[in-house]
Amino acid sequence: GQQVMQIPQYQHVQEGEDFTTYCNSSTTLSNIQWYKQRPGGHPVFLIQLVKSGEVKKQKRLTFQFGEAKKNSSLHITATQTTDVGTYFCAGPSNTNAGKSTFGDGTTLTVKP
Amino acid sequence: EAGVTQSPTHLIKTRGQQATLRCSPISGHTSVYWYQQALGLGLQFLLWYDEGEERNRGNFPPRFSGRQFPNYSSELNVNALELEDSALYLCASSDWTGADTEAFFGQGTRLTVV
Repeated sequence: GQQVMQIPQYQHVQEGEDFTTYCNSSTTLSNIQWYKQRPGGHPVFLIQLVKSGEVKKQKRLTFQFGEAKKNSSLHITATQTTDVGTYFCAGPSNTNAGKSTFGDGTTLTVKP
Repeated sequence: EAGVTQSPTHLIKTRGQQATLRCSPISGHTSVYWYQQALGLGLQFLLWYDEGEERNRGNFPPRFSGRQFPNYSSELNVNALELEDSALYLCASSDWTGADTEAFFGQGTRLTVV
């Protein structure tokens, strides 16, 4: 079945350093979504990418969708302690309507 | 506008009992999704309801079931609870009309099986 993999599983950075998490799907995705889950909280939708090669920015966050629409990345510039949390990517199944497959997430910790 | 609401916030059950979790979607959303998030693990898709019908289910045993009511709220029932069912159960809703719609999550129900 469809698999969505994220790396790294954990990332520890010093405040001010950059951070990148990568998401790879075993199948082509019609779109990819990114969520952030703060410790003890629930996932919150960040963004959706639809077009091949699409790049979107939200302040210090840059999201990219690969040309083949099988991979994506989230890059945070100059991390802050408020960036702490787990970042999930999710892709809808091309064959299984309504089902989204989530990656296992990358947990970011930021040392002040 | 109210977001997705789930109840109860916490639930403690003993092994073998049944648990019922509830979810109210955002007004106007017809689709409800249930996910299980075990400690330290990612989100595992459980069930998808849309317009009152079960549209899809993940790789969970039949003792995980649910339903969606005419007002689009939903229940998740877990029968014959096992210790490994302890997890955060998240409900999300969307106005799904295709594959390209984001989901909004509730705060979750923390189920502990002892």
